[in-house]
Amino acid sequence: DVVLTQTPPTLLATIGQSVSISCRSSQSLLHSNGNTYLNWLLQRTGQSPQPLIYLVSKLESGVPNRFSGSGSGTDFTLKISGVEAEDLGVYYCMQFTHYPWTFGGGTKLELK
Amino acid sequence: EVKLQQSGDELVRPGASVKISCKASGYTFTNYAMYWVKQSPGQGLEWIGTIIPLIDTTSYNQKFKGKATLTADKSSNTAYMELSRLTSEDSAVYYCARPDYWGQGVMVTVSS
Repeated sequence: DVVLTQTPPTLLATIGQSVSISCRSSQSLLHSNGNTYLNWLLQRTGQSPQPLIYLVSKLESGVPNRFSGSGSGTDFTLKISGVEAEDLGVYYCMQFTHYPWTFGGGTKLELK
Repeated sequence: EVKLQQSGDELVRPGASVKISCKASGYTFTNYAMYWVKQSPGQGLEWIGTIIPLIDTTSYNQKFKGKATLTADKSSNTAYMELSRLTSEDSAVYYCARPDYWGQGVMVTVSS
């Protein structure tokens, strides 16, 4: 199975600070069809996960543009340019390229 | 508005089965695959399997073969997941999801 390793496991930030989360894959996530099926989700406390980004860098509808995704192959990054209070929670990366689909272990974003 | 409305929380006996529903609205049910995810208490996320309602095709995480059975009823726009031979290891929150929307989750508690 593809292992997705997220770092850091916990991220302390102040409001307005820019932060980045890394997601490293044990295998390339480039599909034979040319797409890279790497998504990012946010799970706020007590809520279901909310998709933020798909295909590495495309924002889901309604997601603020302070969120951005980048990367290729095995290394991916989620950046938040100016953390807001509503951004707190656990971030997960997820890959759909290889079966079984797998998730990263999560990065908890908290206020410093 | 796209909505995935899941059935209510369940308390079930060890060895029993439970069937969870996920009613889709706001879009054409057969146009999207539906997948299911397990979140154990305090743990991360695991992909259980995916069903394509249009052609009634399923794919499963090997770990959940024999444990989970996915079905879909096109007449009622509802996806189902049945979990069998339940043990305490199956106590978790279960989500149905499209890549861009998630249901609210169902908490299944296995206890005598």
